Amino acid sequence: AQSVTQLDSQVPVFEEAPVELRCNYSSSVSVYLFWYVQYPNQGLQLLLKYLSGSTLVKGINGFEAEFNKSQTSFHLRKPSVHISDTAEYFCAVKSGGSYIPTFGRGTSLIVHP
Amino acid sequence: EAQVTQNPRYLITVTGKKLTVTCSQNMNHEYMSWYRQDPGLGLRQIYYSMNVEVTDKGDVPEGYKVSRKEKRNFPLILESPSPNQTSLYFCASSFQGTGSYNEQFFGPGTRLTVL
Repeated sequence: AQSVTQLDSQVPVFEEAPVELRCNYSSSVSVYLFWYVQYPNQGLQLLLKYLSGSTLVKGINGFEAEFNKSQTSFHLRKPSVHISDTAEYFCAVKSGGSYIPTFGRGTSLIVHP
Repeated sequence: EAQVTQNPRYLITVTGKKLTVTCSQNMNHEYMSWYRQDPGLGLRQIYYSMNVEVTDKGDVPEGYKVSRKEKRNFPLILESPSPNQTSLYFCASSFQGTGSYNEQFFGPGTRLTVL
């Protein structure tokens, strides 16, 4: 079985500050990991994904995430956020033997001027 | 342009009046899925389909039906909507395979209100 926990439901931060959105997963087999972003009144779009290889993954809009197998984590980071980064962020996991991804409950990133 | 489309985008209806939300993708994806999004609960899967004529229940299937007669279309049917089905609904699609990593492509969402 696979599951995802996003540890923070809401993360407020000031513009130009760094941010980290936390994601932990559980799976008994190899995993593929994803971060999706949902801007207000829009659908979800892929931000970045980890499939294999380098544990540091770079995505769009300056975001990056690090896969940590020993801690079963896939935290999302950005060194300096903008107002336009205000959105809902979803972590998702798909085990190698599963057809279906599992999504976390989402983290609302609120960037204040 | 590769995309997933949903219609309608917004719908207000009354309890018990059957409705259908359409979903169509133009990427020849095998896998399609319906989710509902509610505050504090994230995305919950309603139904999914591995391919034509192959559908299965997700986490919250009660009160919903689906069909997959064509590869590109995956309509969501509410036979007798109730107020607890007021939600934001998303359709998604992807290529398929247990060993594959394929990302899901999401539609723009349908905001449903049942009075």
